[in-house]
Amino acid sequence: QLVESGGGLVQPGGSLRLSCVASGFTFSSHVMSWVRQAPGKGLEWVSGISRSGDSTNHADSVKGRFTISRDNSKNTLYLQMNNLRDEDTAVYYCAKCSWAPYYNMDVWGNGTTVTVSS
Amino acid sequence: VVLTQSPGTLSLSPGERATLSCRASQSATSSYQAWYQQKPGQPPRLLLYGASTRATGTPARFSGSGSGTDFTLTISSVEPEDFAVYYCQQYGSSPPMYSFGQGTRLEIK
Repeated sequence: QLVESGGGLVQPGGSLRLSCVASGFTFSSHVMSWVRQAPGKGLEWVSGISRSGDSTNHADSVKGRFTISRDNSKNTLYLQMNNLRDEDTAVYYCAKCSWAPYYNMDVWGNGTTVTVSS
Repeated sequence: VVLTQSPGTLSLSPGERATLSCRASQSATSSYQAWYQQKPGQPPRLLLYGASTRATGTPARFSGSGSGTDFTLTISSVEPEDFAVYYCQQYGSSPPMYSFGQGTRLEIK
């Protein structure tokens, strides 16, 4: 199970930190991702992180503004979002990733809503 | 990788066969391809992975096929609970990232 929190209303240029607490599986054994969905739109992968946290990747749309991290001792995934823009408004999902030989997202949280507006 | 799904909307009656297409801008390994189902107000749910392997809990009426740049999701006989939006996904390794198609909405005719 994955449970996200930390969403809310923030002004453009502001910051938020999202959290995702995992349970029911060995968190430290799995690659994790954040995926977002703008209102009425499709899915967009945002960021991914390796099992140990030493390797991260971000979509070009958030590179330099968002940082993904994890604390395996707390079974928690984070997404630090800085310099937020209107277009970052979305539901943010955390997802457990299957890794080698298959690459997909097999467990999803229910999402947390981020609204960027003045 | 840019994924293009077609059609954008598919209108069918229960019991009909549904064929959803996903075309990639570049060839990819089948093991990198997956399909998801999303119903209103819910997160996506993994349906198929490796292009054709059903995820746990996916009914046998769902099947997947394809390779290279063209992948297909087929529902042999649409049930009322299948009306939803379907997304295809590809993984790219250089750099590591996931891409999603824009989705196909399966609606009741």
